[in-house]
Amino acid sequence: EPEVTQTPSHQVTQMGQEVILRCVPISNHLYFYWYRQILGQKVEFLVSFYNNEISEKSEIFDDQFSVERPDGSNFTLKIRSTKLEDSAMYFCASSDLGGGYNEQFFGPGTRLTVL
Amino acid sequence: KNQVEQSPQSLIILEGKNCTLQCNYTVSPFSNLRWYKQDTGRGPVSLTIMTFSENTKSNGRYTATLDADTKQSSLHITASQLSDSASYICVVSRQGAGANNLFFGTGTRLTVIP
Repeated sequence: EPEVTQTPSHQVTQMGQEVILRCVPISNHLYFYWYRQILGQKVEFLVSFYNNEISEKSEIFDDQFSVERPDGSNFTLKIRSTKLEDSAMYFCASSDLGGGYNEQFFGPGTRLTVL
Repeated sequence: KNQVEQSPQSLIILEGKNCTLQCNYTVSPFSNLRWYKQDTGRGPVSLTIMTFSENTKSNGRYTATLDADTKQSSLHITASQLSDSASYICVVSRQGAGANNLFFGTGTRLTVIP
């Protein structure tokens, strides 16, 4: 069964460093998303991506964040200068169609720890 | 304010027993409500989805109900198994095309013990 994959599973970095989180969405999906979940808190939407551009972003997704689809399979989230409060689980998701009714398939997440 | 609240925060039950998880929401205008199961260290996986006109939906031992008038939903798990141990997240969609219209609850952590 096709699934969303993410690498690495755990990333530890020093404050101020750049990190790139990688995702491989399901191959025939067209919509891609990043979410984060701070330990013990709700999943929060960061950004959605369609047709090689950002379609929506939340207020969390500031200038420190960027997304890219560098090739036909990968979808990346870059944090330019990490802060302690960026420590969280980051989930990538994909869907074949947009809109709230269409199921988003989530990856297993990358746990980011900023020291 | 668009919010999704779940209760209880955590629950421990014996294998074979039934349980019911609750979700209350204030999201408006409502589009649909989905229950997800999130195993430890994994991403959420959809169990059921209900629109305004649906008041019950089953998926095996999972049965979700929706009362759109009171803005409440429940997830009933029958004859629990050890593999049901996970977090269960209620996600409510607001009408509109974007992912920014999804509102997540904090989840109920269910532990099934032998």
